[in-house]
Amino acid sequence: ETGVTQTPRHLVMGMTNKKSLKCEQHLGHNAMYWYKQSAKKPLELMFVYNFKEQTENNSVPSRFSPECPNSSHLFLHLHTLQPEDSALYLCASSQDPGGGQTYNEQFFGPGTRLTVL
Amino acid sequence: TQLLEQSPQFLSIQEGENLTVYCNSSSVFSSLQWYRQEPGEGPVLLVTVVTGGEVKKLKRLTFQFGDARKDSSLHITAAQPGDTGLYLCAGAGSGGSNYKLTFGKGTLLTVNP
Repeated sequence: ETGVTQTPRHLVMGMTNKKSLKCEQHLGHNAMYWYKQSAKKPLELMFVYNFKEQTENNSVPSRFSPECPNSSHLFLHLHTLQPEDSALYLCASSQDPGGGQTYNEQFFGPGTRLTVL
Repeated sequence: TQLLEQSPQFLSIQEGENLTVYCNSSSVFSSLQWYRQEPGEGPVLLVTVVTGGEVKKLKRLTFQFGDARKDSSLHITAAQPGDTGLYLCAGAGSGGSNYKLTFGKGTLLTVNP
């Protein structure tokens, strides 16, 4: 138990569906992240939120829409996905990386295994 | 673009053997983290190394950060089946980009009883 929870753990959706992934952290952190993990590829950073503000969008297609209503919750809204979007989607959190801390330790949730048919 | 190369990609050994996995880059990192990921789960942080030449020990695991902060190694002594998993290294940028971690593809370790 890392203090970061994600729901659902598994999701199967068609290309025309709309679904949302949810992440919640109980660590008092103020930065949250979405990553995509595909087979044979390194983890790809998708979005970063710091104090609820989006500070990074790593050229992610608009069919992925993040939302961060507060420092503890992060959502990823999915719409009109493609089969190549099938992957493990990981959420992570850390302390404010710009608050004088010299290094950034990220704590990950268990992930949502997404399959797009 | 910062890249991290991990080697070997796959490693299958018997219980009780020792092993070393490597993480190399041409870029300098302000810190480097090692994670272990089990199937169906997210990565779990094992250690963070910050200073060039730093060595940290976690029970049977020894982590080293290169003097130039471009590479790192993880040595496991007397491996056990519970050590099985995907070992990931991740390097952090410096200054304002220290929140961005660059991950390697990982080393998939299997320890057979």
